[in-house]
Amino acid sequence: DIVMTQSPDSLAVSLGERATINCKSSQSVLYSSNNKNYLAWYQQKPGQPPKLLIYWASTRESGVPDRFSGSGSGTDFTLTISSLQAEDVAVYYCQQYYSTPSFGPGTKVDIK
Amino acid sequence: QVQLVESGGGVVQPGRSLRLSCAASGFTFSSYGMHWVRQAPGKGLEWVAVIWYDGSNKYYADSVKGRFTISRDNSKNTLYLQMNSLRAEDTAVYYCAREGDDYGDSRAFDIWGQGTMVTVSS
Repeated sequence: DIVMTQSPDSLAVSLGERATINCKSSQSVLYSSNNKNYLAWYQQKPGQPPKLLIYWASTRESGVPDRFSGSGSGTDFTLTISSLQAEDVAVYYCQQYYSTPSFGPGTKVDIK
Repeated sequence: QVQLVESGGGVVQPGRSLRLSCAASGFTFSSYGMHWVRQAPGKGLEWVAVIWYDGSNKYYADSVKGRFTISRDNSKNTLYLQMNSLRAEDTAVYYCAREGDDYGDSRAFDIWGQGTMVTVSS
């Protein structure tokens, strides 16, 4: 099974500043035949289900603001919020779906 | 609109059974793989099970293998999770989620229900 880790566990960022979350998989999630990384990012606000933000490591889901971006390949990935807004306060999870799915432990993002 | 609505949660004693349902609407249910994901109170997300669009393949997390069964009725646009031999550690919000499809390629879990709470307690 692929184990996902995230760092940091939590971070506080000033409004308008950049937030960066890292995710690492225990083995590569890059499918060589199509050069796609099966890595997704979700946002979860209190009392709500998770919301898909990014899939294939860097493809933004329809309707997701362009301040959210994903990057990385193989085993190391990053979610960046370029200019933090108040509504971005949430827990963010990475997930691999290369094999039977697994989620990272989550990163809590707050306003400084 | 595209929607998933879970039901069937509640309080159950350890060792007993419960069946969850997930009613889908607004899309062609029979074309999509479906998952169950759970979240214990104050904890992270844990994938539970998947069933292919036609029910031909099913996979489970080790933590529920042999106790939980995922199934679907495409004629009723409904996904199920039969949970037997429940334990305290199965206490969680259970979400159903659609596996998004882009011309046969997975787009992760693009639609989620609001979840149903299962509490296992004596």
